[in-house]
Amino acid sequence: SQELEQSPQSLIVQEGKNLTINCTSSKTLYGLYWYKQKYGEGLIFLMMLQKGGEEKSHEKITAKLDEKKQQSSLHITASQPSHAGIYLCGADRLTYSGAGSYQLTFGKGTKLSVIP
Amino acid sequence: DAGVIQSPRHEVTEMGQEVTLRCKPISGHNSLFWYRQTMMRGLELLIYFNNNVPIDDSGMPEDRFSAKMPNASFSTLKIQPSEPRDSAVYFCASSRTGRSYNEQFFGPGTRLTVL
Repeated sequence: SQELEQSPQSLIVQEGKNLTINCTSSKTLYGLYWYKQKYGEGLIFLMMLQKGGEEKSHEKITAKLDEKKQQSSLHITASQPSHAGIYLCGADRLTYSGAGSYQLTFGKGTKLSVIP
Repeated sequence: DAGVIQSPRHEVTEMGQEVTLRCKPISGHNSLFWYRQTMMRGLELLIYFNNNVPIDDSGMPEDRFSAKMPNASFSTLKIQPSEPRDSAVYFCASSRTGRSYNEQFFGPGTRLTVL
């Protein structure tokens, strides 16, 4: 089965600091999804990476997928209290047909706290 | 446009009771997913429906769990009988598959506590 490891498990940063969260897969991915979850709420889609070497940005959040499509990083620049929450990576595994399975396996999440 | 709707938001029940969780996916989405989230195991996929048909239920823990999708706008997850270890947050998500990627939209979740 697809295993996803996220690091670190938790992170406390001072407002304004940069930070990076990593997500590593044991297998080549069809697609890698980043979601954010606030306590007591559902997951909010941030971005999806599909091509090796791909990089996407949304506001102050940048995500990258490595060339081998087995590792992704999420980078937040100049963190703000609004960035606090749990960040989860989800992987869509590659099927024998070369397409995605449409079923996502998630990492256990990285809990981010931002101190004002 | 309404997102994925789940009910109830909170459920407290006693061991042995039947629990039914409900989900209304986003209109036009053809795939529906039920997940369970716990501190120990994280977010786990329980079952996946495509066009109202169960495609993969390998994540359903045991026979006490069952899920149905009688039509494109409604799904239920039932636990009978419930046990304390079923306590978790249950999420429903929907997506429009058939495209090159699968952005899933999550509901707010149902927090289940089994005493």
